[in-house]
Amino acid sequence: EAGVTQSPTHLIKTRGQQVTLRCSPISGHTSVYWYQQALGLGLQFLLWYDEGEERNRGNFPPRFSGRQFPNYSSELNVNALELEDSALYLCASSVRDTQYFGPGTRLTVL
Amino acid sequence: SQQGEEDPQALSIQEGENATMNCSYKTSINNLQWYRQNSGRGLVHLILIRSNEREKHSGRLRVTLDTSKKSSSLLITASRAADTASYFCATDASRQAGTALIFGKGTTLSVSS
Repeated sequence: EAGVTQSPTHLIKTRGQQVTLRCSPISGHTSVYWYQQALGLGLQFLLWYDEGEERNRGNFPPRFSGRQFPNYSSELNVNALELEDSALYLCASSVRDTQYFGPGTRLTVL
Repeated sequence: SQQGEEDPQALSIQEGENATMNCSYKTSINNLQWYRQNSGRGLVHLILIRSNEREKHSGRLRVTLDTSKKSSSLLITASRAADTASYFCATDASRQAGTALIFGKGTTLSVSS
C-alpha cells in the first residue's frame, strides 16, 4: 500500500512570492493534516481537512490556506512568502487516531 | 503551543544499550503517540497508547503511560545505529475524534557503534 506522498520535495522561493504544496493521502484516508516544522519551533499544526472541508486551523495567518479535493488529495497555499516561512511542511493522513506522515516538502524562502 | 515536552533533549548511547525518553503533557488526552524522524524527513509512526492503557510493546519498543502524572516514556531496548533519529511524542489537541496532534520538541538520540 502506498504511503502519503508530497510534492515537490524541495522548493526555493523569494519573499513575496506564492507557493503551492501538494499531498496525496493513503488510499481510504479521508482526513489530511498539514504541519510546519521550522527550525527551533518544532512541529506546528497548520490545517486539517476532512471530507473536503476545513475542520480546524492552527495559529497561522490567513495567507496560509488550502483545500481538499474530491479524491481527498490536498493543497497547501502560502501567499506573500516571508523569510520565516522557511520550513519543512509535512502532510499526514489518518484513519481513526493514527496519523501517517509523508516525506515533507522543504521550502526555502530567500 | 507545545503540549508534550520530551526529556532529555539529547541522548547519546552505545549500540546494545537501552534508551529511555520521557514525555510530559498538560491536558487530558484520548491517546498519546510516539514518532521517529530521521534527518529532517517525514515522521514514522511508532506506537499509539490509549488513555486507558498503561503499557504497550512493539518489537524493541516499550511505551508506558501514566495519566495521573500526565507522562509517558519510550524505551528502546538493545539499540542499534539505525535507531539514531529524533523522537517525538504527540497528543491530541482536543478530545474530538480525528483532531490534530500537538508535538513536543523531541529527543535527539545518537547511537554509536
